[in-house]
Amino acid sequence: GAGVSQTPSNKVTEKGKYVELRCDPISGHTALYWYRQSLGQGPEFLIYFQGTGAADDSGLPNDRFFAVRPEGSVSTLKIQRTERGDSAVYLCASSFSGGNTGELFFGEGSRLTVL
Amino acid sequence: KQEVTQIPAALSVPEGENLVLNCSFTDSAIYNLQWFRQDPGKGLTSLLLIQSSQREQTSGRLNASLDKSSGRSTLYIAASQPGDSATYLCAVQADTDKLIFGTGTRLQVFP
Repeated sequence: GAGVSQTPSNKVTEKGKYVELRCDPISGHTALYWYRQSLGQGPEFLIYFQGTGAADDSGLPNDRFFAVRPEGSVSTLKIQRTERGDSAVYLCASSFSGGNTGELFFGEGSRLTVL
Repeated sequence: KQEVTQIPAALSVPEGENLVLNCSFTDSAIYNLQWFRQDPGKGLTSLLLIQSSQREQTSGRLNASLDKSSGRSTLYIAASQPGDSATYLCAVQADTDKLIFGTGTRLQVFP
């Protein structure tokens, strides 16, 4: 596609529920990133994929968070047993090759609200 | 641990002024630095990417400089316009591809 697409744009859920957030990167981009942005803060790194594999998942806050990219394109961020503190905007980004020279292109984010 | 700080946190100026936004980082061992723009409720738009070997990058009315040894970058906006109103974020890439972001500068340009 022309840009990074994220769905849903808004998600309201109740504490304890399961949530899936989807990211469709720019066609041909092998690197995909998930970030989380709380109100008034800069984005915080969650996980980075190179192709189908998670190259760096050191930013995932705990084992309730998991992400997959089974075919090296679309990625899904999965949050189990959601808590109010999970409320944030979840941003996805992709780049052509990753590494330390790749410019990142961000989607518009999925705003998650946990009641 | 790499930390990125942006000053000022907020800025309000009349149209036409030239602006300087500041970004500092604690560990000079970076691969690159990027400046992004974020409009309310939107994602991030990349403005400029400076590799660690470069001193500056320019795009239209925007100029970004990098002094890696002192851990500083500045974003210069010439002849500001109301359409420049947004939050500006800087981010450094230090290792394994992750970007470390500052908390941003919220810019308001009024007519």
